[in-house]
Amino acid sequence: QQQVKQSPQSLIVQKGGISIINCAYENTAFDYFPWYQQFPGKGPALLIAIRPDVSEKKEGRFTISFNKSAKQFSLHIMDSQPGDSATYFCAASKRSSASKIIFGSGTRLSIRP
Amino acid sequence: KAGVTQTPRYLIKTRGQQVTLSCSPISGHRSVSWYQQTPGQGLQFLFEYFSETQRNKGNFPGRFSGRQFSNSRSEMNVSTLELGDSALYLCASSLMGSSSYNEQFFGPGTRLTVL
Repeated sequence: QQQVKQSPQSLIVQKGGISIINCAYENTAFDYFPWYQQFPGKGPALLIAIRPDVSEKKEGRFTISFNKSAKQFSLHIMDSQPGDSATYFCAASKRSSASKIIFGSGTRLSIRP
Repeated sequence: KAGVTQTPRYLIKTRGQQVTLSCSPISGHRSVSWYQQTPGQGLQFLFEYFSETQRNKGNFPGRFSGRQFSNSRSEMNVSTLELGDSALYLCASSLMGSSSYNEQFFGPGTRLTVL
């Protein structure tokens, strides 16, 4: 059972453009939604995270939008740069088992110079 | 502060063998979680250890096991290896265990190939 669905699978964006990755979840018990960035040969690294009591969180060029009623959330990368080229994973977890992270399938993002 | 370290980085085994992977968490971190990453199944949670006790477990067969030592270092063991066990095995550490949202820091992983 795929509890967190992520799209698109791959994305190509021009430098300076906006990258948008979408995720949907099924389990309403999830109450923590992090995004991870993974470069080749490295483990995932936390990028930004949100809890369902807010609809948006912004950190620099990265913004999470959260729609609790639709059970959807998305990552927006403004002014995308070649250094942003990586695989991005949305994820979800529950406070009762916060270390058990359920990951989406990943989006391979390529930023063209 | 040193990050999460995993050894070995690469490993080649044959079907039926067993393997042990090692993870050293960030100093002071007491929780260690293990994940399997494959192209087909993505990132899947294996189990989490906190203070030498398994706190959470994913949906993997009993061939996958782990343990944690008093210094928080952790090992993961896979017995009777199958071709489908070929994957990147990631270890992540955090300050606290379940019931709190602490950032998990991932190591670079151990690439296991089963022939």
